[in-house]
Formats: sequence, C-alpha cells, structure tokens
Amino acid sequence: NAGVTQTPKFRVLKTGQSMTLLCAQDMNHEYMYWYRQDPGMGLRLIHYSVGEGTTAKGEVPDGYNVSRLKKQNFLLGLESAAPSQTSVYFCASSPGDSRGRSQYFGPGTRLTVL
Amino acid sequence: GENVEQHPSTLSVQEGDSAVIKCTYSDSASNYFPWYKQELGKRPQLIIDIRSNVGEKKDQRIAVTLNKTAKHFSLHITETQPEDSAVYFCAPGRGGSNSGYALNFGKGTSLLVTP
Repeated sequence: NAGVTQTPKFRVLKTGQSMTLLCAQDMNHEYMYWYRQDPGMGLRLIHYSVGEGTTAKGEVPDGYNVSRLKKQNFLLGLESAAPSQTSVYFCASSPGDSRGRSQYFGPGTRLTVL
Repeated sequence: GENVEQHPSTLSVQEGDSAVIKCTYSDSASNYFPWYKQELGKRPQLIIDIRSNVGEKKDQRIAVTLNKTAKHFSLHITETQPEDSAVYFCAPGRGGSNSGYALNFGKGTSLLVTP
C-alpha cells in the first residue's frame, strides 16, 4: 500500500494564479482532511470530508475550495493564489467512526506564492 | 473554537533522561487525545493516543496520561534517545461523525535529545 500520497511535492505560483493539489489514499478510508502548516503555528484544518461527495469547512477555509468526487481522492483548489497562502500543505485520511480515528498523513506539498 | 496550548515550547534533555510535554485544552467535549511526532521535513506521525474513558496508556518508552477534569494530557518519554529529537504535537479532538472527528493541533514542542 502506498498509503497517502500528494501531488505535486513542490510548486511555485505567482499571485493570482490557480492550482489544484491532489491527495490520494489506498486504505479505503472514509474521512479525508487538508491542513496547512506554517512556522510556529502547528497544523490548521482547511477543509475535510466525511465521505464521497461531501465536504465541510475547517478552521481556515477562506481562499480554498475542495472536492471529493471519488472516495480515494481529495482535491484542494486555490482559485487566485495569494502570498499568504505560502505554506506546507498536508493531506490526511482516517478510517472514521468505530474503525478508528487515527489520522495518516501524506508527505506534504510545499507551495510558494510570489 | 478549541484553544490548545502546549508546554514547554522547547525542551532539551540529555540522552537517557525523561521528557514530559503537557497539553491543555478548552473544549470539554473533547474525547480523543493523540500525540504526533514530526521530524524535520517529514510528515506528522501518530505515536500514541488515548480516549476519554482511559486515564493512562503506555507503549514501550512512551506514555500518555489524561486528566479530563483539569482538561490536560501529557506525553511522557523515558530513556530518551537522539532519534526522539523532533517536534511533538498534541491534537485533541471531539466526537461526532459529522465533524469528521477533526483534530485541533497545538503549536508544537521542539524536543532535542543530546548524546
């Protein structure tokens, strides 16, 4: 099993450009999450999904959109990138419910917005 | 929202000593208490977790203790080794499938173990 994978690993954008980050998991997990990590800030939840076709806002959702068209994939979109979105983005998945609440993280995407 | 604080923010110990990191939280509905370890440039990895109906859990050199009344839980690492050097995060979460069992991460504690 590959676990949780993220594409791309690195990206540099100019202000106003758009992009999509892809997260994939092969563990048949129900729940998926997108976090951002900034120096000294820990991880902050952007959006999450409790199942295929459903998404919900987390702590810092502004400027981001998400979609979960397939159970194994969770996409994070930036429509008009801003320098404040420079960060490391982590995706995570969890079995959910009685099968366990442990979250398994992907390797991260380092995004720089100039 | 949930207010999560970790203390200390940095901790330096000598190899073989014990390390203790404390996490306080504000949401009394929290019922899941994990600790994550993140090495430099790597992803966070779950090292131990505990549920609200348990007071203590141990896994080899690592233990977590929970005091729900006082709303804090602690990570204990005994016989520390240089490879324990990393940033440790607590991430209390509340139940409810609709909330996705979302976690609220603290800002992290940087642990340095010197030989």
